[in-house]
Amino acid sequence: KAGVTQTPRYLIKTRGQQVTLSCSPISGHRSVSWYQQTPGQGLQFLFEYFSETQRNKGNFPGRFSGRQFSNSRSEMNVSTLELGDSALYLCASSLDGRLAVPYEQYFGPGTRLTVT
Amino acid sequence: GQNIDQPTEMTATEGAIVQINCTYQTSGFNGLFWYQQHAGEAPTFLSYNVLDGLEEKGRFSSFLSRSKGYSYLLLKELQMKDSASYLCAVMDSNYQLIWGAGTKLIIKP
Repeated sequence: KAGVTQTPRYLIKTRGQQVTLSCSPISGHRSVSWYQQTPGQGLQFLFEYFSETQRNKGNFPGRFSGRQFSNSRSEMNVSTLELGDSALYLCASSLDGRLAVPYEQYFGPGTRLTVT
Repeated sequence: GQNIDQPTEMTATEGAIVQINCTYQTSGFNGLFWYQQHAGEAPTFLSYNVLDGLEEKGRFSSFLSRSKGYSYLLLKELQMKDSASYLCAVMDSNYQLIWGAGTKLIIKP
């Protein structure tokens, strides 16, 4: 079974620009979560999508948004990029974030975003 | 607020045993996870505890005490490949994972 894939793997953008990241979950997985990872901060939860609906949202500004398509693929968008948005963005999929014990999440390799 | 605490860095010797502690304060509890993350790679699932006690899986064991808000990950017979960051995460009442900052484990020969 293919794992979680994320594209692109690396991205360099300029402050003020916008960016879209893509995530394809494991086949059959309906829940997709997005995280931001920075050194020393650990994983910060952005949002979770299930069946094309945002089910959970972290404490990030409205510049961060996402969506999920009918095939469970998900995208996240960051508008008006700031230098502090430089981070590794990880996507994780699971069968169902709430019903499928043990709620294990499978992570993609991440997209490393650098904002200059 | 919600909080997960774990040591920033630990050092151990190849062949030895190391225990990585995690304490948490969260809004509700739907289980505690441990993940391993090698430098430059994605986190991979190690263990899940929802009931008190010890779960053993090969060289790795994970313990949970819900009354104390405490867990530990025990790694035995350490190998050089165990050098990685170990992430503790708790699923809260909203089924959202709250993550610790991770413990970087350095294995010395």
